Amino acid sequence: TQLLEQSPQFLSIQEGENLTVYCNSSSVFSSLQWYRQEPGEGPVLLVTVVTGGEVKKLKRLTFQFGDARKDSSLHITAAQPGDTGLYLCASQGTDSGGGADGLTFGKGTHLIIQP
Amino acid sequence: ETGVTQTPRHLVMGMTNKKSLKCEQHLGHNAMYWYKQSAKKPLELMFVYNFKEQTENNSVPSRFSPECPNSSHLFLHLHTLQPEDSALYLCASSQDDDSNSYNEQFFGPGTRLTVL
Repeated sequence: TQLLEQSPQFLSIQEGENLTVYCNSSSVFSSLQWYRQEPGEGPVLLVTVVTGGEVKKLKRLTFQFGDARKDSSLHITAAQPGDTGLYLCASQGTDSGGGADGLTFGKGTHLIIQP
Repeated sequence: ETGVTQTPRHLVMGMTNKKSLKCEQHLGHNAMYWYKQSAKKPLELMFVYNFKEQTENNSVPSRFSPECPNSSHLFLHLHTLQPEDSALYLCASSQDDDSNSYNEQFFGPGTRLTVL
């Protein structure tokens, strides 16, 4: 089973600041997904990255996949209180292709944006 | 109803009780999952059902018994649980075909289970 390490575990910043959170593995990802989970809710998919070096943007969120497909980062510009939540990265494993396989999740980064 | 729904949202049970968690997906998907989310561990896969057939049991104790009567409904039957089984139990669904090569999953809100 692939282990996903996320850092930092907790992050509390002021509204308007920028931040970056990370997801790393010792193994190669076939693909990587980022989810956000708000209190009392299930995770919601934000993005899937597939190609090494890929960059995807979702409004103020920028997702990057490492060239070697072993790491990924999520950068938030001008954070807002609505960005508060648990950010999870997940993978379906090494070159396992598609299919109804369960996902392996990291422990997540708990992000709090203070007004 | 839209998306993935779970009932109940909260459940408190004793170690000798028998209860069931219910999940329903309204997305037309053909695969469903149970995950466990506890405070000190990552989200853990428990069971996978594909076309109503169980395709994965991630070494889950027998006190957890899944049931998938059709591709829209998934149950988790609980009996003689332990306090350490207290957690958020999440259901998810996905479409297992070429349109979803990366197995993007849709989650329900979860059932917060407390075992006394």
